[in-house]
Amino acid sequence: GAVVSQHPSWVICKSGTSVKIECRSLDFQATTMFWYRQFPKQSLMLMATSNEGSKATYEQGVEKDKFLINHASLTLSTLTVTSAHPEDSSFYICSANDRTSGRALNHEQFFGPGTRLTVL
Amino acid sequence: QKEVEQDPGPLSVPEGAIVSLNCTYSNSAFQYFMWYRQYSRKGPELLMYTYSSGNKEDGRFTAQVDKSSKYISLFIRDSQPSDSATYLCAMTQYNFNKFYFGSGTKLNVKP
Repeated sequence: GAVVSQHPSWVICKSGTSVKIECRSLDFQATTMFWYRQFPKQSLMLMATSNEGSKATYEQGVEKDKFLINHASLTLSTLTVTSAHPEDSSFYICSANDRTSGRALNHEQFFGPGTRLTVL
Repeated sequence: QKEVEQDPGPLSVPEGAIVSLNCTYSNSAFQYFMWYRQYSRKGPELLMYTYSSGNKEDGRFTAQVDKSSKYISLFIRDSQPSDSATYLCAMTQYNFNKFYFGSGTKLNVKP
């Protein structure tokens, strides 16, 4: 199956700093990437959808100036948490669709392993 | 009302038991239904998907969709301790623009 990686897997930062999380599709072109946030014992909360070469579409209640998303290439999307605060501590997961190769079906999302962010 | 409702559990069963996991939803436009398995601190992995109503079987796993009742199920036969994980249902409309997830059911299969 298609592989999605995330880096870093775990990051600890001080309050007020910015943190960048990378999401890469390793063996396919990800025309669409999704960014999710997951709190303990809760489900995935979609934060934004990013299409390569265009601005991300943010879900209601998600601050686009706080969570900067860039999808500059077909294999890389980044999420930057700006001026992080302790309440931003969470598990961030990206997923990607492969709609170009015909190898994967449209409904398949391939998830990265997640990034655990802890803001002190 | 949430788009997708799922009992969070936890659900604890003995090894070899048949497990039934369920979700209900409110949007009749959903057409694709998925089940994901998520181990602790890992990303979800796709287990099963079904288009529209019907059943689908894959090894020990069977997915059922009843669109008239807006109810989907995942059955696990001969459950194993390695099946212990959180199971998430998910669904989307025909355009796949957004996926809606249930809150996940934590399953523990005891040896």
